[in-house]
Amino acid sequence: KAGVTQTPRYLIKTRGQQVTLSCSPISGHRSVSWYQQTPGQGLQFLFEYFSETQRNKGNFPGRFSGRQFSNSRSEMNVSTLELGDSALYLCASSLEGPGGEKLFFGSGTQLSVL
Amino acid sequence: AQTVTQSQPEMSVQEAETVTLSCTYDTSESNYYLFWYKQPPSRQMILVIRQEAYKQQNATENRFSVNFQKAAKSFSLKISDSQLGDTAMYFCAFMNLRTGNQFYFGTGTSLTVIP
Repeated sequence: KAGVTQTPRYLIKTRGQQVTLSCSPISGHRSVSWYQQTPGQGLQFLFEYFSETQRNKGNFPGRFSGRQFSNSRSEMNVSTLELGDSALYLCASSLEGPGGEKLFFGSGTQLSVL
Repeated sequence: AQTVTQSQPEMSVQEAETVTLSCTYDTSESNYYLFWYKQPPSRQMILVIRQEAYKQQNATENRFSVNFQKAAKSFSLKISDSQLGDTAMYFCAFMNLRTGNQFYFGTGTSLTVIP
């Protein structure tokens, strides 16, 4: 079974631009979560999608948004990029029900904002 | 709000020795899970071990075991017979069953296994 796939692996943008990151979950997983990882901050929860609906949201500004498609693939968008948005963005998928507490992560997208 | 604290930013251990990574958390919830994840240089987070809060018995997975002290809100990870492949960042994480798939992570401990 293929793992969680995130594209692209690396991205370089300039301030003010917008960016879209993609995540394909493990087959059969309907929950997709996004996390931002920065040095010294650990991982911070952005949002979670289940069946095309945002189910949970973390404390990030409205510039961070996401969506999920009917095939469970998810995209995350960041508009009006700021230098502080430079981070590793991790996507994770999980089952619903028993076993759903286990997150399976992708290798992340490293975003650099110049 | 839930918080997870890892007070050891960096640790090192000799190959074949035992090391313990510390984690404390703060919550008013009673039903939750605790996790240790490993992040090697490849960046992919890998689940090491999981503990259900309602279980008193400490979880074990081969060379990895935890010391779960619910009253003290402490959840440490013990790695026995350390191997070079254990070199990685280790993150402690908390999940509240009531709010579902929203994990809270600590800031991580960078572990280096010395040959």
